[in-house]
Amino acid sequence: AQSVTQLGSHVSVSEGALVLLRCNYSSSVPPYLFWYVQYPNQGLQLLLKYTSAATLVKGINGFEAEFKKSETSFHLTKPSAHMSDAAEYFCAVKWEGYQKVTFGTGTKLQVIP
Amino acid sequence: EAQVTQNPRYLITVTGKKLTVTCSQNMNHEYMSWYRQDPGLGLRQIYYSMNVEVTDKGDVPEGYKVSRKEKRNFPLILESPSPNQTSLYFCASSLSWGQGTEAFFGQGTRLTVV
Repeated sequence: AQSVTQLGSHVSVSEGALVLLRCNYSSSVPPYLFWYVQYPNQGLQLLLKYTSAATLVKGINGFEAEFKKSETSFHLTKPSAHMSDAAEYFCAVKWEGYQKVTFGTGTKLQVIP
Repeated sequence: EAQVTQNPRYLITVTGKKLTVTCSQNMNHEYMSWYRQDPGLGLRQIYYSMNVEVTDKGDVPEGYKVSRKEKRNFPLILESPSPNQTSLYFCASSLSWGQGTEAFFGQGTRLTVV
């Protein structure tokens, strides 16, 4: 069965430090990959997506992610964390030919001043 | 403004009392779906719809019903709610299901069943 794994349910970084949120997926077919962000008491909004174009994808708010087929990974990074980045982040995968989107269990990012 | 609107935002109900959570989108999207969000479990898909009159079960459909009579609306029905359906629910829509189009989410409905 297809699955999406986000390592670390909680990640803490200092303000200004590198943010790295990990996402791995099982794959037997090409995937479409997404990162969403959820701020408190809000719905999810798209940060970025990979749809088989460039493997390094840039998103909003300075985030980017790199699709690595050999590692079946799509980790999210930001060079310098800002207090406003504190939120929960979800990786999601849609496999070619499948009708459903599978979400990871989420990673809560805490930014320490 | 392009949006997905859910109502109500908060709901407390009693076991067994039928309820409906409404969802409407104004983007002419074909694909709509319902998710529930529970701590440590992420988002799990309840039902989805690829177009009018076309619906199918997601990963956790038990205890829920949906209908898609119009393209813009996709209500979630709990005919006999139970406490294990206490959760945060999200409706989402996307342009189509066949490509890597992103989902647009509503603001969520926090349901408590006592």
